[in-house]
Amino acid sequence: LAKTTQPISMDSYEGQEVNITCSHNNIATNDYITWYQQFPSQGPRFIIQGYKTKVTNEVASLFIPADRKSSTLSLPRVSLSDTAVYYCLVMDTGRRALTFGSGTRLQVQP
Amino acid sequence: EADIYQTPRYLVIGTGKKITLECSQTMGHDKMYWYQQDPGMELHLIHYSYGVNSTEKGDLSSESTVSRIRTEHFPLTLESARPSHTSQYLCASSDPTSLKGADTQYFGPGTRLTVL
Repeated sequence: LAKTTQPISMDSYEGQEVNITCSHNNIATNDYITWYQQFPSQGPRFIIQGYKTKVTNEVASLFIPADRKSSTLSLPRVSLSDTAVYYCLVMDTGRRALTFGSGTRLQVQP
Repeated sequence: EADIYQTPRYLVIGTGKKITLECSQTMGHDKMYWYQQDPGMELHLIHYSYGVNSTEKGDLSSESTVSRIRTEHFPLTLESARPSHTSQYLCASSDPTSLKGADTQYFGPGTRLTVL
């Protein structure tokens, strides 16, 4: 079972860059790293996905070192609306599905 | 935006009633999932399906059952609802063939179930 570890919570202020790091020591060779965002009472929403090096989209950047045992989600200039839970996932090789952990609860303050 | 729908969005029901939570997707995805999530807690996978006539139990033991007769439809049924079933139920689907080693899931809006 590919397991991820990430901080339980983080605090930030509006306008700051936030970096959330996730460790996934047992990631399989072919597996991608996927990040989701979840607001209260809503389903998780896909943010970004990557395999190695750096991926950037209009929402975030994802940095993955060469050994792929960790990844860092970077949110530039956060706002209050970025307050949410962020999940880092890798494939569960056994059932070929993603497994959600407890996520990182990000609180952005004015 | 993903086209995955859940009905009802909210349901309040008495103990002992049979209920079916509906989930449908129009993306032609083979894989579908049901998660259970209590407020402020993590998601727990309770059922999933690889395709038509395929159903599997997830990590969290659940008294619910599912069926997959059509690709687009993945209903969840509770034969006899109890207060312990009060929770949010989230349905998701994915197309694992889009990227090998990746499984991007698209979630519905959820059903918030309250059993009195």
